Amino acid sequence: SQQGEEDPQALSIQEGENATMNCSYKTSINNLQWYRQNSGRGLVHLILIRSNEREKHSGRLRVTLDTSKKSSSLLITASRAADTASYFCATDLGVTPLVFGKGTRLSVIA
Amino acid sequence: GAVVSQHPSWVICKSGTSVKIECRSLDFQATTMFWYRQFPKQSLMLMATSNEGSKATYEQGVEKDKFLINHASLTLSTLTVTSAHPEDSSFYICSARDLGVAGETQYFGPGTRLLVL
Repeated sequence: SQQGEEDPQALSIQEGENATMNCSYKTSINNLQWYRQNSGRGLVHLILIRSNEREKHSGRLRVTLDTSKKSSSLLITASRAADTASYFCATDLGVTPLVFGKGTRLSVIA
Repeated sequence: GAVVSQHPSWVICKSGTSVKIECRSLDFQATTMFWYRQFPKQSLMLMATSNEGSKATYEQGVEKDKFLINHASLTLSTLTVTSAHPEDSSFYICSARDLGVAGETQYFGPGTRLLVL
């Protein structure tokens, strides 16, 4: 079963703009991870944030985690056409398999 | 980093035939591997957990007699879709945890696209 929801389900922005995607989940977690998936391709791991962390950066990516609200956000700054993909959050409870959200389809228009 | 491979990357078969998909951890041992299925424009749904040397654990709604999982070694798990039908057409992705080094990291294979005609 799926852990939670991402919103928006789809997002279309102009190149250079920032894109923000949100993820909510239901249970306590060990960590939360964000993945990217280009159409018809495999998953690319973007970033992992642990339950005791509140914010993490990686290049143009910024992830926040609010465990009290059971939510996380992924911000992509200065978006590029190559960022067009589906983005999924996945919650990790430890040794159990990752549980994925429904994903956000991002389109960056050049 | 750790690598997980899948073979084949895509397969087209006739309805009623069986298809085997292999998942290998290339540079680490995985006592547990996971099989996910993804339909177009949807998320990954966990199908089953594959345990080395024992029976797989299936998620609710997944037919164990249709999706046969064998985890014969610490580096290989196979998923066999038996008597495949068009509704089984999907993207199948396996993953494994490298508990020997970084237990929190789950590595994903590149996926296998199955089209049943």
